[in-house]
Order: sequence, then C-alpha cells, then structure tokens
Amino acid sequence: GQQVMQIPQYQHVQEGEDFTTYCNSSTTLSNIQWYKQRPGGHPVFLIQLVKSGEVKKQKRLTFQFGEAKKNSSLHITATQTTDVGTYFCAGATGGFKTIFGAGTRLFVKA
Amino acid sequence: KAGVTQTPRYLIKTRGQQVTLSCSPISGHRSVSWYQQTPGQGLQFLFEYFSETQRNKGNFPGRFSGRQFSNSRSEMNVSTLELGDSALYLCASSHSGGRTEAFFGQGTRLTVV
Repeated sequence: GQQVMQIPQYQHVQEGEDFTTYCNSSTTLSNIQWYKQRPGGHPVFLIQLVKSGEVKKQKRLTFQFGEAKKNSSLHITATQTTDVGTYFCAGATGGFKTIFGAGTRLFVKA
Repeated sequence: KAGVTQTPRYLIKTRGQQVTLSCSPISGHRSVSWYQQTPGQGLQFLFEYFSETQRNKGNFPGRFSGRQFSNSRSEMNVSTLELGDSALYLCASSHSGGRTEAFFGQGTRLTVV
C-alpha cells in the first residue's frame, strides 16, 4: 500500500542553526500537506502543496514539492526555541485518504 | 467558529472492555478522519467518514469500528481492548478530506490496564 517515509526521525539543533526534514512517497501524490505538533498538543496545519516543483515560504519556513510529486521538504532557517515540536508531512493520492509520515521531532537548544 | 471537539479527553479501561470515543467536527465539515498516535509510530490512519459513509479504511483489526451521524458527528468504538491499544486517538475534520486542510481535535488519551 501507499507509504510516506519521513527522515530524520529526530534532529537536535542549536538555536540559530538551520533544519530540514524530508518526506518521500512510494506513489505519486496529488498534494502534500505539512503539520506541526507541539509537545502535548495536536497537529496543526501549516501548508499544502499541489503543483509539481512548487515552493512556498512562510517567514523562516520553506516548503518544496518535488518535480515528480513523490517527495517534499520543509526547511527552517535560523531555528528558534518556538520551533520545537514534531513536523509531519501528509500525502494524498487521487482519493481522499491522507497518509501521514512518522514525523520529525525537532529539539532546539538555546 | 468552534474547533473540533473530542470527548472524553482521558480514559482508563481494563483489558477486554470496550470503549466509545466521540468527535464533533467543525460546523460545515463533512469529512471526519480518525488516527491513532503512539510514540515512534506517528499518526496511523484508522478510517475516514464522509456524509455518514466510511470512505477509507486503514489497516486496523475489525475491533476498531466507527460511524458518522447525519450532523457529521462521529464515534469510534474499540471492542475487546488490548494493552497495545493504549494511545492518543485523534480525529480530524475537513470539508472534503484528502485534498483539504484538516483540523485536529485535542485527542482522547486512552490507557488500557
């Protein structure tokens, strides 16, 4: 069945360093979404990418969707302590089912 | 606009019992999806309901079932609870599922002893 792999599982960074998490699907996706879950909280929607090669930015966050629509990345520039949490990618195929990656847990040391 | 409401927030059950969890989606949302979250396993998809019909199903045993009512509220039932069912159960509502933004509830923390 469809799988969405996400790496790395954990990332420890010093405040101010950059951070990237990668997402790879075994099948072509119709879209990919990114969510952030703070410790003790619930996932919160960040962004959705739909087009091949799409790049979107939200302040220090940059999201990319691969040309083949099978991979995606989230890059955070100059991390802050407020960035801590788990970042999930979620891919949908032609149907309405959304498959989540296992998430990347980000730790930021001040 | 009220968010997604899940009840109860916490539950402690004994092995072999059954449990019912409830999810009230955002007004106007017709899709409700359920996920199981355990440490290290991420969000495992259970099933999705749209307009009272189960539209998608994950790879969970038949002990896990759900339903959706005409007002879009959804319930999830787990029968014959096992210790491994201990997890955070999250529901997410969206306009149409899959290609639209999902809004998650706070979750129900189920502990099976």
